Parts: sequence; C-alpha cells; structure tokens
Amino acid sequence: NAGVTQNPKFQVLKTGQSMTLQCAQDMNHNSMYWYRQDPGMGLRLIYYSASEGTTDKGEVPNGYNVSRLNKREFSLRLESAAPSQTSVYFCASTQGEETQYFGPGTRLLVL
Amino acid sequence: AQSVSQHNHHVILSEAASLELGCNYSYGGTVNLFWYVQYPGQHLQLLLKYFSGDPLVKGIKGFEAEFIKSKFSFNLRKPSVQWSDTAEYFCAVMSGGYQKVTFGTGTKLQVIP
Repeated sequence: NAGVTQNPKFQVLKTGQSMTLQCAQDMNHNSMYWYRQDPGMGLRLIYYSASEGTTDKGEVPNGYNVSRLNKREFSLRLESAAPSQTSVYFCASTQGEETQYFGPGTRLLVL
Repeated sequence: AQSVSQHNHHVILSEAASLELGCNYSYGGTVNLFWYVQYPGQHLQLLLKYFSGDPLVKGIKGFEAEFIKSKFSFNLRKPSVQWSDTAEYFCAVMSGGYQKVTFGTGTKLQVIP
C-alpha cells in the first residue's frame, strides 16, 4: 500500500515549456487534490476532483489544467510554465470528509 | 468563502516549554478541523482532527487541540515540546458536506535543545 505517489520529485523547466505532474493513490479514495506550497502562504488549492469524472477549480487555478484519468490518477498540467509557478506541488486524496493523505511533493523550478 | 488564520508565523521555544499555536477560521456552518505537521523535507502528516463530540481532541506525539465553537478557534497545544517537534504546523478546515479544504499559512516551530 504505497498511499499517494507523485512523479517527478524534482523538475527544472524553462519559461514557456510544458509538463505534466503525475499523482496516483491506491487507497480507493474518491477525492483528489492538487496544492501548491509557497513560503509564508501555506498550501493553496489549485484544483480538486470530488469523484472520478469531475474536476473543480480551487483558489489558484490560472495557468493549470487537470485530468482525473480514473479513480486512481489525477494529473496536473502546466501548458506554458512561468517563473511564478516555481513552487512545491502536493497531491492529496481523501475519502468523504476524512483525513487527507498527502504525497511526497514535486519541487518545480521555472527559469 | 471559508478562511483560516494562523497568527503565529514563527515560534521559537526551548525544550520542555509549553506550546500553544493559534488557529481561527471563518465559516458559519459545520466544519471538520485538522492540524497537520510537516517535518523538514517531508510531506504533510495528520496530527489530529475534530469532526464532532468532545471538543478536546488528542493526537499523536502528545499534541492536543480544543475546538471552541463560540470563538471559531481550534488551538494546538503540547505541555512540553521536544527538539524533534521542530517542524511547520498547519491548521485546516473542511466545511461540512463539502470536500474543499482550506489551509492556514502555517507556523514554523523551532525548538532549541
């Protein structure tokens, strides 16, 4: 039981490049989330998916897109990376109104 | 919209000192409340949670928190901190019946041996 896994762990991009952050959970959770963590700003919700086939915007969705590929996987895409998207990205999952389980994070640097 | 305030951004304590970290939220309905901890270089882990019932909840590693509905607060406490408690602590609110979670900005705790 791996919990929540994320790939890659580290990534460096040039401005304008695109990439997809992968997230998978093996706990059969319905809900999945993408957050970004920046110093002094805590965790801010980018997008979430309450169930397979649905996605909704969070606080800071601009510049991102998501895909809930199936119940296990929830990917985050940056179509044209900007330096302001330099951050640590965390994926999380939960079942109903229970505890969120977090992945190990992806550290992204956009030059 | 719900929001969460953590007033202490950086706390420095000596070992064995008592800890209290403040958390206030704004949401008029039913809420689920959480405290998460993030040790250096690691991801967030649950410390404790409150859904209903006894407003004083106990978590792992000797932490506890008290839900005071009238004050919209959920403060985290520990009677005697250890060096290993050095970490960043996040308060979070999940509004009842809706799975969107809002986090506070975090409090960095540094415990000096």
